[in-house]
Amino acid sequence: KAGVTQTPRYLIKTRGQQVTLSCSPISGHRSVSWYQQTPGQGLQFLFEYFSETQRNKGNFPGRFSGRQFSNSRSEMNVSTLELGDSALYLCASSKDGQTGNNYGYTFGSGTRLTVV
Amino acid sequence: SQQGEEDPQALSIQEGENATMNCSYKTSINNLQWYRQNSGRGLVHLILIRSNEREKHSGRLRVTLDTSKKSSSLLITASRAADTASYFCATAGFTGNQFYFGTGTSLTVIP
Repeated sequence: KAGVTQTPRYLIKTRGQQVTLSCSPISGHRSVSWYQQTPGQGLQFLFEYFSETQRNKGNFPGRFSGRQFSNSRSEMNVSTLELGDSALYLCASSKDGQTGNNYGYTFGSGTRLTVV
Repeated sequence: SQQGEEDPQALSIQEGENATMNCSYKTSINNLQWYRQNSGRGLVHLILIRSNEREKHSGRLRVTLDTSKKSSSLLITASRAADTASYFCATAGFTGNQFYFGTGTSLTVIP
């Protein structure tokens, strides 16, 4: 069965621009979570979507936003890019997005964003 | 922050040796999971241990959990060069939908 697909794999943007990243979850999974990974801060939770609704949001500025479509595919958008937004952005797919339900999540390979 | 801590930050061993890495966390959990990440790629789920379990095995992996000390350890036995990666623990509460990841241990297995 197909895994979690993130596109693009690599992206280089200039400060001030905006960017959109895409995540296609495993078929049948309705929850998509997004994480940012940087050497300094590690893995930080951005937000989680379930059935097109954002249910939870991490401590990130409003420049970070996302959405989910009816087919469960999700996009995240970062506006007015800053150098500090350079990171690996990972999405995770799960059936219901409840981390306490005792099963592992499936992560995509990530999008490496570099802001210059 | 509820982020956990892992130690050591980096570990280098010879092929065939065992590797042990530790994770400490701050709040009550429902489960703790270990993930592997190869050189800036995605996370691969390794093993999950529930809060009412003390030890769990999966192939060459052995995970222990001590909820009284809020700590967990991951043991990889008979390590191989292919085990070279970063390893992260992630904790999950009884409700909610986000993981709190540890800082990671970078493991290098020398052939």
